[in-house]
Amino acid sequence: GAVVSQHPSWVICKSGTSVKIECRSLDFQATTMFWYRQFPKQSLMLMATSNEGSKATYEQGVEKDKFLINHASLTLSTLTVTSAHPEDSSFYICSASERQGDYGYTFGSGTRLTVV
Amino acid sequence: AQSVTQPDIHITVSEGASLELRCNYSYGATPYLFWYVQSPGQGLQLLLKYFSGDTLVQGIKGFEAEFKRSQSSFNLRKPSVHWSDAAEYFCAVGAEWGRRALTFGSGTRLQVQP
Repeated sequence: GAVVSQHPSWVICKSGTSVKIECRSLDFQATTMFWYRQFPKQSLMLMATSNEGSKATYEQGVEKDKFLINHASLTLSTLTVTSAHPEDSSFYICSASERQGDYGYTFGSGTRLTVV
Repeated sequence: AQSVTQPDIHITVSEGASLELRCNYSYGATPYLFWYVQSPGQGLQLLLKYFSGDTLVQGIKGFEAEFKRSQSSFNLRKPSVHWSDAAEYFCAVGAEWGRRALTFGSGTRLQVQP
């Protein structure tokens, strides 16, 4: 079945530094990648949608300069949280889909980011 | 735009009892419908999905869901709950397969009593 590998599972960083989160589709081509943020005991909030080789489309209220998304290949997308601050601490989850075929909306295992 | 409502924020059932989690959606056409389960600190695991065809869908871990167009519902059921089923359950609706993100409900937290 479809597998999306997300790394790291958790990361602690100092305020002002940047953190990169990777999502890889292991056995299918992820033409589209979705990045979500989840606050404790809440549902998923879509941050951005990225298509391979194109610029990401960000949801309203999401700072594109803070949350940099790269989707340069069909198997890898990255989310970089730049100049992180404590309010960026959250659970980030990616979801990969292929436009043709059955492998759609497969989620990574999530990354717990803590900014201190 | 599509939307999803999960009316029950929190449900507690006894181990071995039956379970039904409610999900109502709003979408103009026939949607793609999903149920996911999330354990604490984990990502989302797909339980089952509906695209078309048979309205009763079988999933993993003994779960099933029934699509009822007339009621705009896609309720999740399990005949006998196990303690390991305690988790957060999310219903989601999608359109334009693979191109647009899913819209999630607010989730239902399931607690299982021994």
